[in-house]
Amino acid sequence: AQSVTQLGSHVSVSEGALVLLRCNYSSSVPPYLFWYVQYPNQGLQLLLKYTSAATLVKGINGFEAEFKKSETSFHLTKPSAHMSDAAEYFCAAAVSGGSYIPTFGRGTSLIVHP
Amino acid sequence: EADIYQTPRYLVIGTGKKITLECSQTMGHDKMYWYQQDPGMELHLIHYSYGVNSTEKGDLSSESTVSRIRTEHFPLTLESARPSHTSQYLCASSALDGDEQYFGPGTRLTVT
Repeated sequence: AQSVTQLGSHVSVSEGALVLLRCNYSSSVPPYLFWYVQYPNQGLQLLLKYTSAATLVKGINGFEAEFKKSETSFHLTKPSAHMSDAAEYFCAAAVSGGSYIPTFGRGTSLIVHP
Repeated sequence: EADIYQTPRYLVIGTGKKITLECSQTMGHDKMYWYQQDPGMELHLIHYSYGVNSTEKGDLSSESTVSRIRTEHFPLTLESARPSHTSQYLCASSALDGDEQYFGPGTRLTVT
C-alpha cells in the first residue's frame, strides 16, 4: 500500500519568509500528486496537482511544487509567506493500483508570524 | 467554486441515537467519498462510490452505512452513535480517475 509522509506537523515562518512544506510518497509508479489547503472550519481545497505533464507545478496563491522522482518527493514552496497563508496543508497521492483513491498525509500546520 | 454541500455543519447528540449526515454535489461527479478527520491525523476513508448503486467500504471501519440512489446525493448513516464517533466528517467528489477532489465544508459531530 502506498503512503504519504509529511515531515513536520507544524512549520513556523515569519511573514515574507520562504515557505517549505515537505512531502514524500511511497509508490513504485509515479502517482498523481496533490496539495490541498484547509482553513479553519472549512473543507480542503486544491492548491495544485501533478499529473506528469511538468515536474514544476504552479498553483494558486503563489504556491508551487516540484516533483522529484529520484527522491520520491513533492515539496510545496512559496517565496514569501503572507499572514493569510496560515492554514493546514495536506499532501495526497493517487495511483492506479489503489483505484486512484488518494492517500493523504497527516497534514502540516503553517504558522505565520508578523 | 466547488458546489458540494454538507448538513448539518455541527451536531451534538447522545449515545445510541441514529443520525444521517447529508452530502450533495451539483457538479455531476460520479465518484464520491466520505472521510473522517481527526486533529494531527491523515484523512481516513470511510466509504466511497463510483456511481449510482455503487458503494464500497474504505480502510476505516466506522460502523456506518452509505447509499447512492442519485448521482448528486451520498448520505452517511450511523445506526447507533457512540462517543468514539466524535470527529469531523468530510464529503468529497471527483470526476475522473486521478482528478482532484472537491470537498464539502464538513460536519463536526460530537457524541455525548
